[in-house]
Amino acid sequence: GEDVEQSLFLSVREGDSSVINCTYTDSSSTYLYWYKQEPGAGLQLLTYIFSNMDMKQDQRLTVLLNKKDKHLSLRIADTQTGDSAIYFCAERNYGQNFVFGPGTRLSVLP
Amino acid sequence: EAGVAQSPRYKIIEKRQSVAFWCNPISGHATLYWYQQILGQGPKLLIQFQNNGVVDDSQLPKDRFSAERLKGVDSTLKIQPAKLEDSAVYLCASSLQGGDNSPLHFGNGTRLTVT
Repeated sequence: GEDVEQSLFLSVREGDSSVINCTYTDSSSTYLYWYKQEPGAGLQLLTYIFSNMDMKQDQRLTVLLNKKDKHLSLRIADTQTGDSAIYFCAERNYGQNFVFGPGTRLSVLP
Repeated sequence: EAGVAQSPRYKIIEKRQSVAFWCNPISGHATLYWYQQILGQGPKLLIQFQNNGVVDDSQLPKDRFSAERLKGVDSTLKIQPAKLEDSAVYLCASSLQGGDNSPLHFGNGTRLTVT
């Protein structure tokens, strides 16, 4: 079945780069997404990448996709305290279902 | 554009009681989803609607959960009777259409506590 894995916690210092990793199992995934969830809120779409791309950059965010290893990463440059949140990786397959990982809690230390 | 609206924000009930949640998706979004998010986990799909038809309800515990989207716009999710393990945040999401790249847009969720 489909499965998405993430490490559960990450701590970085303000101004450093953060790298959040994700692995997935469904090779038919068409799009892969990164969502951000702040306390008491729903999930906010950050960025996404089509499965035939290797990299996508959007301001401070860089997404890298290694389709062979089924590995996705999100790099946040110049991490700020406002970036503290839970980050979810999600895959979308040809069945059009979204499968979410357990989320990585990012803590940004001053 | 207005986002996905959900109500109530919080609900506390006793086990065996019933509860209903309401969702109004983004205008023009044909696809509507209900997700259950247990504390410390990612969202898990309960049901997906395309307009007013059910696309996927394979993960919905149909002995106690029901959902409808009668006019292809608003949706309600009901739990009857509730169990302790139903304590979670119930998230509604919508997308423009089910196919191609139509990302999910989430509401703020309803936090349910069953005591």
